Amino acid sequence: QQKVQQSPESLSVPEGGMASFNCTSSDRNFQYFWWYRQHSGEGPKALMSIFSDGDKKEGRFTAHLNKASLHVSLHIRDSQPSDSALYFCAASDPYNTNTGKLTFGDGTVLTVKP
Amino acid sequence: DAGVTQTPRHEVAEKGQTIILKCEPVSGHNDLFWYRQTKIQGLELLSYFRSKSLMEDGGAFKDRFKAEMLNSSFSTLKIQPTEPKDSAVYLCASSLAGGASAETLYFGSGTRLTVL
Repeated sequence: QQKVQQSPESLSVPEGGMASFNCTSSDRNFQYFWWYRQHSGEGPKALMSIFSDGDKKEGRFTAHLNKASLHVSLHIRDSQPSDSALYFCAASDPYNTNTGKLTFGDGTVLTVKP
Repeated sequence: DAGVTQTPRHEVAEKGQTIILKCEPVSGHNDLFWYRQTKIQGLELLSYFRSKSLMEDGGAFKDRFKAEMLNSSFSTLKIQPTEPKDSAVYLCASSLAGGASAETLYFGSGTRLTVL
């Protein structure tokens, strides 16, 4: 059973538009969430983490976490062609937090069209 | 600071060959992970080391996959013998367990393995 589900599988937005990604965990032990981004030919790179309920904003990126529903989202405003990549949601439970061991979703492919 | 370094970037092997992939983690990191990435299965954890000790060895990969960490700055992943279904991107990642950013994994660029 996939413990971290992402949607949609793929997403296409125009340059300057808003891109939104969703992630839901089926394991209530997962309390900490991350978003990673992977450009073609590279390894994933951490975008941001969110551990508390509510919103967290870093530049054009905003993450939202609702622990009660185990739902986390990521929004990119003013999307740029360079944002085109594969986006992963990742989660860990408190027992594993300090180990860095994460469970990854299957990813969402974002295409930003000029 | 140097990131995670993986070599080679590309590897082509014949079925039945032995291949060894290499990884140098970020200096000072004490957690090291090997992942396999395919379009169908996504990211799959192969092995996890903490301070050079093997903490987890992915059950489904035990028979032909062996990861080792001979010192804190170098790890290898051996696949013996290779099969065409092993064709994938192999990613190495490290993290500073116990530090303020313990939760962040730093990935290398990966090795793309093709088994003919």
